[in-house]
Amino acid sequence: EVQLVESGGGLVKPGGSLRLSCAASGFTFSSYSMNWVRQAPGKGLEWVSSISSSSSYIYYADSVKGRFTISRDNAKNSLYLQMNSLRAEDTAVYYCARDGYNYDYWGQGTLVTVSS
Amino acid sequence: EIVLTQSPATLSLSPGERATLSCRASQSVSSYLAWYQQKPGQAPRLLIYDASNRATGIPARFSGSGSGTDFTLTISSLEPEDFAVYYCQQRSNWPIFTFGPGTKVDIK
Repeated sequence: EVQLVESGGGLVKPGGSLRLSCAASGFTFSSYSMNWVRQAPGKGLEWVSSISSSSSYIYYADSVKGRFTISRDNAKNSLYLQMNSLRAEDTAVYYCARDGYNYDYWGQGTLVTVSS
Repeated sequence: EIVLTQSPATLSLSPGERATLSCRASQSVSSYLAWYQQKPGQAPRLLIYDASNRATGIPARFSGSGSGTDFTLTISSLEPEDFAVYYCQQRSNWPIFTFGPGTKVDIK
């Protein structure tokens, strides 16, 4: 069974940093591109970042470029999102999603709250 | 950037009725459009990919159609568990797969 489990969310002050993790199981992690998608409270879905299976290709939404860094460790079946210089508008549930041509599996999400 | 618009924003229907949801792209996305369902407190779930293909395990009452810039998700007869928010997503502008703002289907 495919499982994606995010962790690392929490309350952080503006300007602070946080590192999210996504632990994958039930599939060959190293064969898939992976993504982070976020959802602000009461709002829609926003694509944040993508990383190819071997980390050769990495992309970011303009809203996070220069502040967030996506990475993965295929030996540990894990995806990461390092978030720096956090702003109030980064407050959201962050989901990791497998790119099986479409976003066919999603984690349950982890809440990041940026507030003083 | 390809912008997706969805209409209506809210659709109020009764169980057993037919639901028709629209998604329009600012430029052609060919057939590279997917639909997701999201219930409160849950992650999105893939329903339809490539405009008209049902994902694994999705009931036949869900169907998708369209190409180019205009797409439709149809739920032929609403079940109680179908009341949710539905998002479209384009895969034409790789890797920036933008989402539409969503359509909420609620109980009338």
